[in-house]
Amino acid sequence: GDSVTQMEGPVTLSEEAFLTINCTYTATGYPSLFWYVQYPGEGLQLLLKATKADDKGSNKGFEATYRKETTSFHLEKGSVQVSDSAVYFCALSDFSGTASKLTFGTGTRLQVTL
Amino acid sequence: GAGVSQSPSNKVTEKGKDVELRCDPISGHTALYWYRQSLGQGLEFLIYFQGNSAPDKSGLPSDRFSAERTGGSVSTLTIQRTQQEDSAVYLCASSLEAGGLPYEQYFGPGTRLTVT
Repeated sequence: GDSVTQMEGPVTLSEEAFLTINCTYTATGYPSLFWYVQYPGEGLQLLLKATKADDKGSNKGFEATYRKETTSFHLEKGSVQVSDSAVYFCALSDFSGTASKLTFGTGTRLQVTL
Repeated sequence: GAGVSQSPSNKVTEKGKDVELRCDPISGHTALYWYRQSLGQGLEFLIYFQGNSAPDKSGLPSDRFSAERTGGSVSTLTIQRTQQEDSAVYLCASSLEAGGLPYEQYFGPGTRLTVT
C-alpha cells in the first residue's frame, strides 16, 4: 500500500537558519504530493503541493520538488522564522483508484528559537 | 466564507458508551473525509464520501465505527462501545472533487475525544 516516511523530529533551529525536512514515499500509481502544516492550537492547513514529477510547490518561502526518480518531496526554506514553529506533515494522494484520501507521514515538529 | 466546522470540540466519555461526532463541510464541497490523529498512529484515514457514490470505508478500524452523510452535506461519525484506544483527535475535511483531480482538502479544527 501507499506510505510516506518523513524524518523524525523534533527539529530545533535558530532563526534565519536553513531548513530541510526529508520526505520519501511509496505509491502504486501516480500520486500528488503535499505538505500540510499544523500551527500550535490550530487545524491542519495546506502549505504546498505538486501534482506531477519535477513540479515545484512553493508558498510562504517554503519549497518542495516532486522527484520521481528518488520518490522524494523534501521541504526546504532558506531562512526560518520563529513563526514557522509548527508540525509539518508530508502526504500523498494516489488517484489510481477513485478515492482521493490522503496518506500522511508521522509529522515533524519544528521549533525555531531566537 | 465559513470553513469546515466540527462539534463538539472536546468530548469526554466513559468506556463502553456511544459517541457521535459531527462535521459541517464547506458549502458546495462534494467530497468529505474523516481522519484520526492519535499519538500512537499519527494521522490516519477513516472514511471518504464523494457525492452519491458508495463511501470508501477502508480505513475504519473496527465495526464499532460508522459514518453517514445526510443530504450530501453534514456528516456524523459514530463510535459504539468506546474503548480507551479510541481516544484521539478526529478530523473532518472537505474538498471540491471532480474527476479525481487533487483539489485541496480543507480541515476542520477537530474533535478531541477522551475515553476514560
